Amino acid sequence: NAGVTQTPKFRVLKTGQSMTLLCAQDMNHEYMYWYRQDPGMGLRLIHYSVGEGTTAKGEVPDGYNVSRLKKQNFLLGLESAAPSQTSVYFCASSYRTSGGTDTQYFGPGTRLTVL
Amino acid sequence: AQSVTQPDIHITVSEGASLELRCNYSYGATPYLFWYVQSPGQGLQLLLKYFSGDTLVQGIKGFEAEFKRSQSSFNLRKPSVHWSDAAEYFCAVGALPGGGNKLTFGTGTQLKVEL
Repeated sequence: NAGVTQTPKFRVLKTGQSMTLLCAQDMNHEYMYWYRQDPGMGLRLIHYSVGEGTTAKGEVPDGYNVSRLKKQNFLLGLESAAPSQTSVYFCASSYRTSGGTDTQYFGPGTRLTVL
Repeated sequence: AQSVTQPDIHITVSEGASLELRCNYSYGATPYLFWYVQSPGQGLQLLLKYFSGDTLVQGIKGFEAEFKRSQSSFNLRKPSVHWSDAAEYFCAVGALPGGGNKLTFGTGTQLKVEL
């Protein structure tokens, strides 16, 4: 049981390049999330998904796109990278319980630098 | 909109001393509250959570937190800190059921433990 995994762990891009970050979970979770972490700002939600084939915007969605074609995978895309997107990106997943908010399980993160 | 404030950016304690990390939240209803810990270069790990019931919540690694509705606080405590507790700690508040389980994080408190 690997939990939440992220690929790649590190990446350096030039301004204007594109890339896709992959998140995979093996816990059969319905919900998945992408966050970015910047110094002094905590984690901010980029996009999230409440099920296969559905996505929604979070707090800071501009410049990113996502897809959830399979329940276990959640992809985060940068179409034209900008230096402001230099950050550490975390993926998380959770169940959706009838009682409300459930624990989110986090991946190890992807450190992205845009030059 | 919900928000979380962690007023202490950095805290230094001696090993064996007690610890209290402060967290204040703003939310219009009964909050779902979490404390996560992040070791250097790692993802976030859940320490404890509060949904309802007993306002004193026990977590992993000897941590506890107390929900005080009158003060809008959810402070994290540990009676005796170990050097391995040095990490960054994040308080978070969750959305209502049906809100996609979204979390809003505080900006974090960096804990340093002096030997």
